[in-house]
Amino acid sequence: DIQMTQSPSSLSASVGDRVTITCRANETIGSSLNWYQQKPGKAPQVLIFAASSLQSGVSSRFSGSGSGTDFTLTISSLQPEDFATYYCQQSYTTWWTFGQGTKVEIK
Amino acid sequence: QVQLVQSGAEVKKPGASVKVSCKASGYTFTSFYIHWVRQAPGQGLEWMGVINPSGGSTTYARKLQGRVTMTRDTSTSTVYMELRSLRSEDTAVYYCARDPRFISMVRGVGRGWCDPWGQGTLVTVSS
Repeated sequence: DIQMTQSPSSLSASVGDRVTITCRANETIGSSLNWYQQKPGKAPQVLIFAASSLQSGVSSRFSGSGSGTDFTLTISSLQPEDFATYYCQQSYTTWWTFGQGTKVEIK
Repeated sequence: QVQLVQSGAEVKKPGASVKVSCKASGYTFTSFYIHWVRQAPGQGLEWMGVINPSGGSTTYARKLQGRVTMTRDTSTSTVYMELRSLRSEDTAVYYCARDPRFISMVRGVGRGWCDPWGQGTLVTVSS
């Protein structure tokens, strides 16, 4: 199975900060990379699909980029409601895999 | 609106089986793949497998092959996930989620994503 590695595993940031989370695949996955946000006790919600497409209804402060093996999720100006855990997920093959998650905490 | 509603929490003993349901509404049930994802307490997300509600074909995570079965009932727009030979490591919240792309417009589950998700079902395995 394709392995997905996120970095960092956690970060502390302040409201208004620009935040970047990276996700690396151990083999090329084209642009078949999705990003999810999960808040405690809730189901995940998709933010970005196909590496850079913003899900309808999601704030434009979220953006995704990358292709091949290296991908980035950027939050342009962190808001209080953005404190959550973020997961990348590849769907290049039939057997999907997730990154281990990045927890974004309040500084 | 598109909605996935899952069955309630379960407590099982090691070695037993559990069957979780996921009832879909608000769309044509047979037109979209349904995936299952689980999350152990305090841990990350783990993809378990996918079912095509139209023909019933499935693909399972290699780690769970032989212990998991996903089925569907088109008359009730419900997908089921059964996990057998439960062990403590199977304690988790189990989610169903829909791939929003029309099955007829894509070649398999590649390049898909999950939206929306069910509310989750906690399965606790304990003696």
